[in-house]
Amino acid sequence: DAGVIQSPRHEVTEMGQEVTLRCKPISGHNSLFWYRQTMMRGLELLIYFNNNVPIDDSGMPEDRFSAKMPNASFSTLKIQPSEPRDSAVYFCASSSASGMWEQYFGPGTRLTVT
Amino acid sequence: SQQGEEDPQALSIQEGENATMNCSYKTSINNLQWYRQNSGRGLVHLILIRSNEREKHSGRLRVTLDTSKKSSSLLITASRAADTASYFCATDQAGTALIFGKGTTLSVSS
Repeated sequence: DAGVIQSPRHEVTEMGQEVTLRCKPISGHNSLFWYRQTMMRGLELLIYFNNNVPIDDSGMPEDRFSAKMPNASFSTLKIQPSEPRDSAVYFCASSSASGMWEQYFGPGTRLTVT
Repeated sequence: SQQGEEDPQALSIQEGENATMNCSYKTSINNLQWYRQNSGRGLVHLILIRSNEREKHSGRLRVTLDTSKKSSSLLITASRAADTASYFCATDQAGTALIFGKGTTLSVSS
């Protein structure tokens, strides 16, 4: 059984470019989470969806960040325009419940903005 | 905002020794979870303890929860080199998703 799938695994882009990160949750899970991990700030929740509906996006740093979940098997996190301070590892996780139970993490996307 | 804070930030031990790491949190919770992250990988769920439980075991892992002190501990017994990883506690607040601490980095040398 495939776990959470994220693509790309690594992304290097120049400042000002648009970046799109993709996530496929575990089939049957109805909650999906986007996190950002840096040494300075640790693991931060950016946004989470329940049944494809955004529930809490208070962690999204600014308007340059947007996330969508058009269906139960796909989500995107977009940064436009990207900045060097966006460099981090971005994780997607899914859960079979409302979000307070066990979460399954993808391998992450390491983003470097130069 | 950070809900859980792990202590110590880093821990180095020898194989076979026990490793204890602690987590403190600020508000009432429904449950507390521990996750492990190997270098360059995503987090992996280890164990969940509910607010009405005081202790839970899973293999070489023992977790305790003291809601009066708003703290939890994770004990790994008879540690192995493969236990080298970062360990995070995660707590929920009513109506929100999990909030993770900054983690304890455990290094087990053979």
